[in-house]
Amino acid sequence: GAVVSQHPSWVICKSGTSVKIECRSLDFQATTMFWYRQFPKQSLMLMATSNEGSKATYEQGVEKDKFLINHASLTLSTLTVTSAHPEDSSFYICSARESGRGTDTQYFGPGTRLTVL
Amino acid sequence: AQKITQTQPGMFVQEKEAVTLDCTYDTSDPSYGLFWYKQPSSGEMIFLIYQGSYDQQNATEGRYSLNFQKARKSANLVISASQLGDSAMYFCAMREGPSGGYNKLIFGAGTRLAVHP
Repeated sequence: GAVVSQHPSWVICKSGTSVKIECRSLDFQATTMFWYRQFPKQSLMLMATSNEGSKATYEQGVEKDKFLINHASLTLSTLTVTSAHPEDSSFYICSARESGRGTDTQYFGPGTRLTVL
Repeated sequence: AQKITQTQPGMFVQEKEAVTLDCTYDTSDPSYGLFWYKQPSSGEMIFLIYQGSYDQQNATEGRYSLNFQKARKSANLVISASQLGDSAMYFCAMREGPSGGYNKLIFGAGTRLAVHP
């Protein structure tokens, strides 16, 4: 149980294009999902908290117009990197918190490696 | 001040031996949760173990146990009988505040564990 999928697993795009990354909780409902960014050999950096049916809460320093987050259902959140540039190249990983559990454990997707040329 | 501190950038252990990965935390909130995740080279974050601040006993999950010392604010991960597949990056994380809220995880810098045959 508690499986989170992410699609695509990797993407290469040209500078200026937009890229959409999907995060799905496969066997549980998640009212809250989180989007992280991870640079090589570094820890996870929380970008935003996505709540189903409401606007995402962005961390300080994260551009909300650049990283659009939509949490349209209890099992799906999407992150769109708009007008991507080489500096946006990174490993993006989402997590979902299972509703109703006492531990608030976040289960992570496998990540998406974005390379912007 | 760092909320989560992992002082060991890298650790080596012989196969079948036990290893302890250190984690100290800093919070003034009486209610919090502590998590350990494993990140192999594939990038996925695998949940290992959880300890709540009010839990009386140390958490255990198979070969993983959490040495929770509340007064010292430490939550070290103990891996018994190390296996080659345990080689990975290990992250300690903390949720401040009670479970059931919209509290995010704060991650440490991570410890890279290498298991030698």
